[in-house]
Amino acid sequence: SAVISQKPSRDICQRGTSLTIQCQVDSQVTMMFWYRQQPGQSLTLIATANQGSEATYESGFVIDKFPISRPNLTFSTLTVSNMSPEDSSIYLCSVEEPSRGRPWEQFFGPGTRLTVL
Amino acid sequence: GIQVEQSPPDLILQEGANSTLRCNFSDSVNNLQWFHQNPWGQLINLFYIPSGTKQNGRLSATTVATERYSLLYISSSQTTDSGVYFCAVELHSGGGADGLTFGKGTHLIIQP
Repeated sequence: SAVISQKPSRDICQRGTSLTIQCQVDSQVTMMFWYRQQPGQSLTLIATANQGSEATYESGFVIDKFPISRPNLTFSTLTVSNMSPEDSSIYLCSVEEPSRGRPWEQFFGPGTRLTVL
Repeated sequence: GIQVEQSPPDLILQEGANSTLRCNFSDSVNNLQWFHQNPWGQLINLFYIPSGTKQNGRLSATTVATERYSLLYISSSQTTDSGVYFCAVELHSGGGADGLTFGKGTHLIIQP
């Protein structure tokens, strides 16, 4: 499966600031996704990021708060803007990597642990 | 959207015991995956199983798509099996990927 890395692995930020999270994949992939996992909770899809098009956001997530870039088939960024303590979460990127018999299997990066003070 | 319910929410077992985790989903899906989230937060892919039965070592999974449920079996549990097990589904609509909808997970603790 694809090797997915994220930077930073963790960060502590002050409220009102912004943080950009990077997701790098070692192979070209069409579909990339960003998820949020709040403390003690499950994962929630933030948006789908396709190369060459605008990201598609889920209900409750807006581009002004979570702008996403997808400049090529191996890289994406998620920015968490104007942060508040409620944004403290693990942010994970994933990729869809089709293989024989598994057309839509997703694999996840290691996540970015964000704490907002 | 699709609803995913996992049970039980918490499970404490002794090492060597067997367990069954359940995932119910509310609509037809094209993708169903089981993950294990380890204590460091990493999601490990266990099974890609929108239908049928698969086995991988001490783990096996069965999805009955017509009845909209999936089961994850863990046999001869080891302490390293501890963590949170997530079921996630996706209705891969004609326009492209929809992303995964996760259940709330089963928190499994294996005691030595």
